Amino acid sequence: KAGVTQTPRYLIKTRGQQVTLSCSPISGHRSVSWYQQTPGQGLQFLFEYFSETQRNKGNFPGRFSGRQFSNSRSEMNVSTLELGDSALYLCASSPGTGEAFFGQGTRLTVV
Amino acid sequence: AQKITQTQPGMFVQEKEAVTLDCTYDTSDQSYGLFWYKQPSSGEMIFLIYQGSYDEQNATEGRYSLNFQKARKSANLVISASQLGDSAMYFCAMREGIPMDSNYQLIWGAGTKLIIKP
Repeated sequence: KAGVTQTPRYLIKTRGQQVTLSCSPISGHRSVSWYQQTPGQGLQFLFEYFSETQRNKGNFPGRFSGRQFSNSRSEMNVSTLELGDSALYLCASSPGTGEAFFGQGTRLTVV
Repeated sequence: AQKITQTQPGMFVQEKEAVTLDCTYDTSDQSYGLFWYKQPSSGEMIFLIYQGSYDEQNATEGRYSLNFQKARKSANLVISASQLGDSAMYFCAMREGIPMDSNYQLIWGAGTKLIIKP
């Protein structure tokens, strides 16, 4: 059974640009959550999608957005990038409750 | 107040010894889940073990077991017979409530850096 796939693995972007990250969950899992990990703030919840609907949202500015498609794949978008957006972005796949499995992450560097 | 507390920022352990990583949590919800993840330097967050608040037995997965003491709000991870490949950051996390709750998200501890010595 394939795991969680995040693309791309690495990204370098310039301040002010926008970026889109992709996450393909485990087959059959309908919940996809996104987390940001930075050395200073640790791991923080961005949002969760379940069956194409945003079910929960963390405390991030509106520049951070996401969506989920009918095949459960999810994308997150960050507009008007800031230096502080440099982080490891992790996507978690879950059947809805219980265990949550992560992808390898996308390491975003904003210069 | 911290919801998840991991009091050991770093640990050195001799190969083949057992390891206990501490985690205490704070919640007023009756329904919650506790998770342990391993994060090697590559960055991938590897799921190790899960314990639901209503599970009466301690969870086990191979060399990993979760010592769940509900009254003490403690969820320590035990790794038996440690290996060099166990060197990594270890995170304890909690998810409270039920899926439709606004707080239904993983809340993370600060992590413990475990180094296994040969």
